[in-house]
Amino acid sequence: QQQVKQSPQSLIVQKGGISIINCAYENTAFDYFPWYQQFPGKGPALLIAIRPDVSEKKEGRFTISFNKSAKQFSLHIMDSQPGDSATYFCAASSTGNQFYFGTGTSLTVIP
Amino acid sequence: EAQVTQNPRYLITVTGKKLTVTCSQNMNHEYMSWYRQDPGLGLRQIYYSMNVEVTDKGDVPEGYKVSRKEKRNFPLILESPSPNQTSLYFCASSWGTGGNTEAFFGQGTRLTVV
Repeated sequence: QQQVKQSPQSLIVQKGGISIINCAYENTAFDYFPWYQQFPGKGPALLIAIRPDVSEKKEGRFTISFNKSAKQFSLHIMDSQPGDSATYFCAASSTGNQFYFGTGTSLTVIP
Repeated sequence: EAQVTQNPRYLITVTGKKLTVTCSQNMNHEYMSWYRQDPGLGLRQIYYSMNVEVTDKGDVPEGYKVSRKEKRNFPLILESPSPNQTSLYFCASSWGTGGNTEAFFGQGTRLTVV
């Protein structure tokens, strides 16, 4: 059973547009929700993360929106750039337990 | 430089020939884990380890073994590889899980079993 469900599987956005990737979870014990970015030939790297006691976290052009009651969180990439083209994974974990990753979203930003 | 090092990066082997993929981290992390990445399935955890001599099965442990005799090393062993284990494998480490614990990933090992 997929602990973290991610959509869409792929996304194509024009340069300057907004990219939105969504994730949903069921386990209310999760207390950490990171997003990882992966470029071809590389391992995933932490992009931004949020804890469930806040509803939004912004770092530059990247924002996580968190809805605790709906058990959903999303990544927004503002002013998307071709260099943002990568695969994005949402994840969730709780202290003392394993990380669970979503199935990934392949983002392509068209110049 | 803080890093997770996997070897080899690429490996082609034949069905049934035992192999080991090594993973080493230099950050004194307690938590280490192995994932396989397949198209459309994302990152699926194979095994993880909370500390030395403590290992647990992840979501897809069948056909794999691990050991954690030292804090820095966490090798992945395929005793009798099969073609369905052809995949991209990642090792990761972190201080722990939950909280604000960033997972650091290796560069990956692309395994082909023929």
